[in-house]
Amino acid sequence: EAGVTQSPTHLIKTRGQQATLRCSPISGHTSVYWYQQALGLGLQFLLWYDEGEERNRGNFPPRFSGRQFPNYSSELNVNALELEDSALYLCASSSMGRISTDTQYFGPGTRLTVL
Amino acid sequence: AQSVTQPDIHITVSEGASLELRCNYSYGATPYLFWYVQSPGQGLQLLLKYFSGDTLVQGIKGFEAEFKRSQSSFNLRKPSVHWSDAAEYFCAVGSTSGGYNKLIFGAGTRLAVHP
Repeated sequence: EAGVTQSPTHLIKTRGQQATLRCSPISGHTSVYWYQQALGLGLQFLLWYDEGEERNRGNFPPRFSGRQFPNYSSELNVNALELEDSALYLCASSSMGRISTDTQYFGPGTRLTVL
Repeated sequence: AQSVTQPDIHITVSEGASLELRCNYSYGATPYLFWYVQSPGQGLQLLLKYFSGDTLVQGIKGFEAEFKRSQSSFNLRKPSVHWSDAAEYFCAVGSTSGGYNKLIFGAGTRLAVHP
């Protein structure tokens, strides 16, 4: 069974540009989560999508946005990039969108570097 | 507030020695607890999880963890460490309060293994 996949592996942008990161969940999973792993800040919850809808978001500004497509893949967009957006962005998927009976499986991440 | 504390930022052990990584959580309800491992430049791999039932949980790669409610702890153990276990280990608690469905991570413990 294929795991969670993310593209691109690496992304280099300059300040003020927009970045688009993509995630394909495990087949059969309907929930997708995005986390940011920035140096010194640890792993922080960004967004949760389930059945095509944004269910909740972490403490990030509105320039972090995304969507989930009918095939449950997801896209994370970061507008007006700032230097501190440089981080590893991890996508995870789960089958039911409920922590109580569910497990999040992570992809390999996209390393975003903002110059 | 919900939180996870991993008191040890860095641990070094000799190959073949036993290992215990500490994790303390703060969570009002029944916690759903996880241990993930991250190799350099990689995503997170699930080692084991605790939802309910037996407080001693077995995971992959010979790891186990014990849930102790009285101590709010979920320490990870391995009886004999292999050089390939060198990685960063993250403890996490699943949070569903406030409409969220997210993982709250500790800061991680980086494990080095001496030959």
